[in-house]
Amino acid sequence: SQKIEQNSEALNIQEGKTATLTCNYTNYSPAYLQWYRQDPGRGPVFLLLIRENEKEKRKERLKVTFDTTLKQSLFHITASQPADSATYLCALPTGTASKLTFGTGTRLQVTL
Amino acid sequence: ETGVTQTPRHLVMGMTNKKSLKCEQHLGHNAMYWYKQSAKKPLELMFVYNFKEQTENNSVPSRFSPECPNSSHLFLHLHTLQPEDSALYLCASSQDWTSATYEQYFGPGTRLTVT
Repeated sequence: SQKIEQNSEALNIQEGKTATLTCNYTNYSPAYLQWYRQDPGRGPVFLLLIRENEKEKRKERLKVTFDTTLKQSLFHITASQPADSATYLCALPTGTASKLTFGTGTRLQVTL
Repeated sequence: ETGVTQTPRHLVMGMTNKKSLKCEQHLGHNAMYWYKQSAKKPLELMFVYNFKEQTENNSVPSRFSPECPNSSHLFLHLHTLQPEDSALYLCASSQDWTSATYEQYFGPGTRLTVT
């Protein structure tokens, strides 16, 4: 089965800097990958989907890359703000249809 | 109400109780999901319903019983739970089950504590 690895340690960065979060997977390369944001005590919120033939995807201050050779996706937040503090989850389709497998997530803390 | 709603938001129950979690989506989606989220663990998919039909049961113990009376409502009936079942239970919906390119919309979750 697909194993997803996200850095379990929190990432602490200063406001205005670029945050980079990593999602590594171990088995077959999926056709696409999704990123979600989760705030404490809330459900995840979809942010971006990137397909295997898209090297990069952008949405406002967010950028996602997908390297099927390295089996890795990077999630960047530029000009980070304290409001960006949350846990960020990557998810890959595994098995049948729309079954998603989620990583454990990386907690981002942006300080002033 | 918009999006995906869940009730109750918090639930404390004893191991011999029977309770139900409710989920409602107002997005016109055809697929609905139950996930379990425990501390330090990734989201675990429990059940999937597409057009009211169960399409996935991820080896969930029978003490969890899902019900989907229509495409907008999803229930999770709980009975004789164990303390290790304490977790955040999340409901989600997506346009349909046929492709994971559809993003999933999550409710706020029910924080369940089994005593």
